[in-house]
Formats: sequence, C-alpha cells, structure tokens
Amino acid sequence: LAKTTQPISMDSYEGQEVNITCSHNNIATNDYITWYQQFPSQGPRFIIQGYKTKVTNEVASLFIPADRKSSTLSLPRVSLSDTAVYYCLVVDWGSNYQLIWGAGTKLIIKP
Amino acid sequence: EAQVTQNPRYLITVTGKKLTVTCSQNMNHEYMSWYRQDPGLGLRQIYYSMNVEVTDKGDVPEGYKVSRKEKRNFPLILESPSPNQTSLYFCASSSGVGSPLHFGNGTRLTVT
Repeated sequence: LAKTTQPISMDSYEGQEVNITCSHNNIATNDYITWYQQFPSQGPRFIIQGYKTKVTNEVASLFIPADRKSSTLSLPRVSLSDTAVYYCLVVDWGSNYQLIWGAGTKLIIKP
Repeated sequence: EAQVTQNPRYLITVTGKKLTVTCSQNMNHEYMSWYRQDPGLGLRQIYYSMNVEVTDKGDVPEGYKVSRKEKRNFPLILESPSPNQTSLYFCASSSGVGSPLHFGNGTRLTVT
C-alpha cells in the first residue's frame, strides 16, 4: 500500500522560494503525483501534477527524481497569499484506485 | 462555469435524524468522491465512484452511504448521524482516477 509523508509545517518570507517535499514509497510506475493548495474553509485546489523529472506551470514547479520515491513542490517568490496548507496525492492502483493523501504541510509566509 | 456544487453549506442536526448532503458537477466527470476533514487529520476519503452505479469504500466509510444513479450527482447519506460525524465535508470530481480533482466549497455539519 502506498503511503505519503510530508512535513507538518514550514515558515518562509515573502519573495523567497519555498520547496515542500513529499515522500511516497511503493507508488506504481504509472502513478502521477499531484499537489493541491487549500485555504481555510475552502476546498483544495489543484496546483500541479507530474509523472517524472520536472513539470512547470504558471504558479509552481514539481521535481520528481528518477526513483520517484519523493517529489518536491517549488513555489517561486512566495507572497503572503501563498499561506495555505499544501497536500500531495498519489493513487494506489493496487488497492482499487484509492487516493493516498499526505497529511498536509501548513505553509506560513511572513512579511 | 465548471463547478462542483454542494448543498447545504452549513447543517446543524440532532443525533439519529437522517440527512443527505447533495453534490452535483457540470463537467461530465466520471469520477466523484467524498471526504471529511477534521482538525489535524487532513483529508480522509469516505466513498468514491468511478462511474454510474459503481461505488467503493474509502478510508472511513462507516456510518455513511452514497449512490451514483446519474453521472452528475453523488449524494452523501447519513442514515443515523452521530456527534462523531461532526466535520467539514467535501465533494470532488475528476475526469478519471488520477486526474486533477475539482472540489466543492464544503459542507460544515454539526451533529448534537
């Protein structure tokens, strides 16, 4: 059964780059890794998804090493509005496609 | 506008009184799922459905029922709510397993 582990919390400052890492052992070779952002009392919002190497979109980058046992969400030049909880997600194809969520990383951006 | 709509947003009820939380999506998504979120416990999947008439248990299905009679709707049913089901509930949909999920705005349920 796949499992995901991510830090409980992180602090950073406006303008810095923030990297949040998720460990996910036992993921299948065809699993995508997906990251979501959640603000208080709102539903999570999709940020980025990747399969291997590096993916970049307008808000973030996702780095996945060759062994795919971890992934790193990179937020460039964060602002106060990036304060949120960030979740990584993988699909456990071996367990009837159950979604395996990380516990979430609470990111606090300071001025 | 593409969206997942949950109703109601807030619900206060008493132990044992059956309730239904509705979820509807307008994106023709095949995959739908329900989650509960409690402080310090992240998102826990209750039930999911990969298509019409196909539902499966998630991590915490006890005390809940679902049905998927139409593609767009995926109601969550609490036959006999108990106080330990007080939580924030989210419905989500996607075009398939592993595809990005679209979440509703949540339903905050209080059972007294």
